[in-house]
Amino acid sequence: EVKLVESGGGLVQPGRSLKLSCAASGFSFNDYWMGWVRQAPGKGLEWIGEINQDSSTINYTPSLKDKFTISRDNAQNTLYLQMSKLGSEDTAIYYCAREDSSYIYSWFAYWGQGTLVTVSS
Amino acid sequence: DIQMTQSPASLSASLGETVTIECRASEDIYNGLAWYQQKPGKSPQLLIYNANSLHTGVPSRFSGSGSGTQYSLKINSLQSEDVASYFCQQYYDYPYTFGAGTKLELK
Repeated sequence: EVKLVESGGGLVQPGRSLKLSCAASGFSFNDYWMGWVRQAPGKGLEWIGEINQDSSTINYTPSLKDKFTISRDNAQNTLYLQMSKLGSEDTAIYYCAREDSSYIYSWFAYWGQGTLVTVSS
Repeated sequence: DIQMTQSPASLSASLGETVTIECRASEDIYNGLAWYQQKPGKSPQLLIYNANSLHTGVPSRFSGSGSGTQYSLKINSLQSEDVASYFCQQYYDYPYTFGAGTKLELK
């Protein structure tokens, strides 16, 4: 069974940094692209970015490229999201997801339960 | 960025009814489209990928269709467990973008 478990969320002050983790199990982690998506309270979904199997390719949504860094540790089956200069607009549930793919396309086939990040003083 | 316009924003339907949700892309996305279901308090779950392929374990009452800029999700014979929000997502071009969602309720 594919399982993704996010952790590291919580209350953080504006301007500070926070690092989220996503522990993967039930599949061969180093065979898949992985990604992050967030959802502000009561709002829609926002794609943050994705990372390929060996970390050689990382894609971000342009508005977050200078604030967020995606990385992974294949030995630990863990995906990370480093967030810096956090503002109230970053308050959201953060989901990690495994991408499945065919030819040139990839989509989020499996999602974690999410971790809530609240940015407030 | 490719804009995804989803309609309607909300929908009320009866058990057993057939429901259709639409998604329009601001440019041709060549079937690079997925549909997700999100139940209250839960994470999104994949229903459809590549516009019309059913994800493993998803009931056959869900189907996707469309091409070019126009796509739709159809739910046949609506069940109570289908009450949820539904989102489309394009993955044809970066940055990937989502529709604003459709909230489906029972009448």
